[in-house]
Amino acid sequence: QKEVEQDPGPLSVPEGAIVSLNCTYSNSAFQYFMWYRQYSRKGPELLMYTYSSGNKEDGRFTAQVDKSSKYISLFIRDSQPSDSATYLCAMSAFLNYQLIWGAGTKLIIKP
Amino acid sequence: GAVVSQHPSWVICKSGTSVKIECRSLDFQATTMFWYRQFPKQSLMLMATSNEGSKATYEQGVEKDKFLINHASLTLSTLTVTSAHPEDSSFYICSARDPGKEKLFFGSGTQLSVL
Repeated sequence: QKEVEQDPGPLSVPEGAIVSLNCTYSNSAFQYFMWYRQYSRKGPELLMYTYSSGNKEDGRFTAQVDKSSKYISLFIRDSQPSDSATYLCAMSAFLNYQLIWGAGTKLIIKP
Repeated sequence: GAVVSQHPSWVICKSGTSVKIECRSLDFQATTMFWYRQFPKQSLMLMATSNEGSKATYEQGVEKDKFLINHASLTLSTLTVTSAHPEDSSFYICSARDPGKEKLFFGSGTQLSVL
């Protein structure tokens, strides 16, 4: 079993829809949770960073962490074609950036 | 904002040759840099952690004699793929930690194709 599980997709939704992306994990020691967006043949860029449980909102993006279920989510409201990319979750037990990565979910927003 | 510059963005080389990839932090001093490789439709795999002024720490299964890492300054780390073979063809990405912002910034990646 992988430490971090993420459905690779692709996930295809119409423009304007609410998108839900998820990861599950097995290591209860993880405390730092990140979501990265990666366009094709580019390096990842950090979207959201959350410590421990709870919600965090930034514009159209909301990150949720449920440590009791070992489940994290990223919601994208009013999705745009420019949001089409691969979204990777990453997490670690310590703030030492030894991140454990999900496989990434390819998201396609149809105009 | 902070930027990490990675060069080249793509390189094609013959089997048996060596290829050097550079990773520079442009407006902060990075005491720690990370090197990853990514195969198509797969996630990032950490290869090694590069610490300025000391030897890199390699992940299990990564050959340190094949993937040479040098972090001679606070703004530059290099990855040299020695005696490259077609199975080394991959997308290589570096990242650098900005200690002032406690954030990790990524380079734009290097696509290596070994013929």
